[in-house]
Amino acid sequence: EAGVTQFPSHSVIEKGQTVTLRCDPISGHDNLYWYRRVMGKEIKFLLHFVKESKQDESGMPNNRFLAERTGGTYSTLKVQPAELEDSGVYFCASSRAVGGTPLHFGNGTRLTVT
Amino acid sequence: RKEVEQDPGPFNVPEGATVAFNCTYSNSASQSFFWYRQDCRKEPKLLMSVYSSGNEDGRFTAQLNRASQYISLLIRDSKLSDSATYLCVARSNDYKLSFGAGTTVTVRA
Repeated sequence: EAGVTQFPSHSVIEKGQTVTLRCDPISGHDNLYWYRRVMGKEIKFLLHFVKESKQDESGMPNNRFLAERTGGTYSTLKVQPAELEDSGVYFCASSRAVGGTPLHFGNGTRLTVT
Repeated sequence: RKEVEQDPGPFNVPEGATVAFNCTYSNSASQSFFWYRQDCRKEPKLLMSVYSSGNEDGRFTAQLNRASQYISLLIRDSKLSDSATYLCVARSNDYKLSFGAGTTVTVRA
């Protein structure tokens, strides 16, 4: 089966610009998660979708971040306007069941805000 | 306080050696525990789940001590391909994963 795919793999933008990250989960996986790793820190939870509904968005840093999963398939994570501290690697993961193991991660999007 | 704390290493060991490292977690309500492996600039991949009774998967042995909130990973007969960052992960009852910052292991020829 195809794995979790993320696009773009890298993005370099200027402070104040907008960036949209995309994640295509494994087909049939209702659960989709966004995680982020900023430089030198651990990977941290951002939010969790079950199908098209936000199950938990307690990890979203602030209202500059907007995640959507229209139709319950792919998801987008938009950062607007981007700040320097948003730089990091954004991982998407999916699972068939809530809390399913293993959680399948995508390769990540490396975001650099200059 | 970090939810999961790990010794960052690096652990630099020769091929064939045994290497062990651990992590501690702060949330006593954590339900499940895992070791993930992450290669440089790659995504994390599940290495193994960790059970209270301890479990083995080939050359890898994981232990969990709930009383001390401590998890360990032991790698026997290290291979060059074991070089990676090992992430200790705790899952809470709301299914969120809490990651440690990772322990770097380098196996040299």
